[in-house]
Amino acid sequence: DQQVKQNSPSLSVQEGRISILNCDYTNSMFDYFLWYKKYPAEGPTFLISISSIKDKNEDGRFTVFLNKSAKHLSLHIVPSQPGDSAVYFCAASPKTSYDKVIFGPGTSLSVIP
Amino acid sequence: EADIYQTPRYLVIGTGKKITLECSQTMGHDKMYWYQQDPGMELHLIHYSYGVNSTEKGDLSSESTVSRIRTEHFPLTLESARPSHTSQYLCASSLQGGNTIYFGEGSWLTVV
Repeated sequence: DQQVKQNSPSLSVQEGRISILNCDYTNSMFDYFLWYKKYPAEGPTFLISISSIKDKNEDGRFTVFLNKSAKHLSLHIVPSQPGDSAVYFCAASPKTSYDKVIFGPGTSLSVIP
Repeated sequence: EADIYQTPRYLVIGTGKKITLECSQTMGHDKMYWYQQDPGMELHLIHYSYGVNSTEKGDLSSESTVSRIRTEHFPLTLESARPSHTSQYLCASSLQGGNTIYFGEGSWLTVV
């Protein structure tokens, strides 16, 4: 049973518009959430994270929103650029064991020029 | 920027062969991990280590084995490869108490 779900396998967005990638989780013990970006034939690279004590974290064009009551987080990319085209993995870890990171299946984002 | 290196990047081997995937990191991280990912699927943790001489099985059962004789080195070995082992293997590391995992570029293994 997936603890971290990304229900959209793929997403296409026009360049310059907003990309919104969604993630749901089932384990209420999750305390820390991360987004990773992965290009083909490369390993995932860390993008942005958020602790459960916050509901928003921003880093340049990337903003992550956390809704704990809904067990939902989202990654917003504004404005989207063709170089953002990649697979985005949502990940979560429990407070008791930060190294036990659980990854979702990923969403493939295509930014169309 | 993470400094974690995996070799080989791509490998095609025959069934029954023994293979070792190498992983080294130069960041002095205590924790190291091996994840396995099939295309379009989640990353699954198959092995991890808290430090030298520490190895643990991950959430996904794997026939591979690992060793941690040096802090910077965490090789993964398949004694007898099978087609079901065809996958991408990702090595990663993190600081003790850290919650950000840094990945290598991955090793693509194809067993024919």
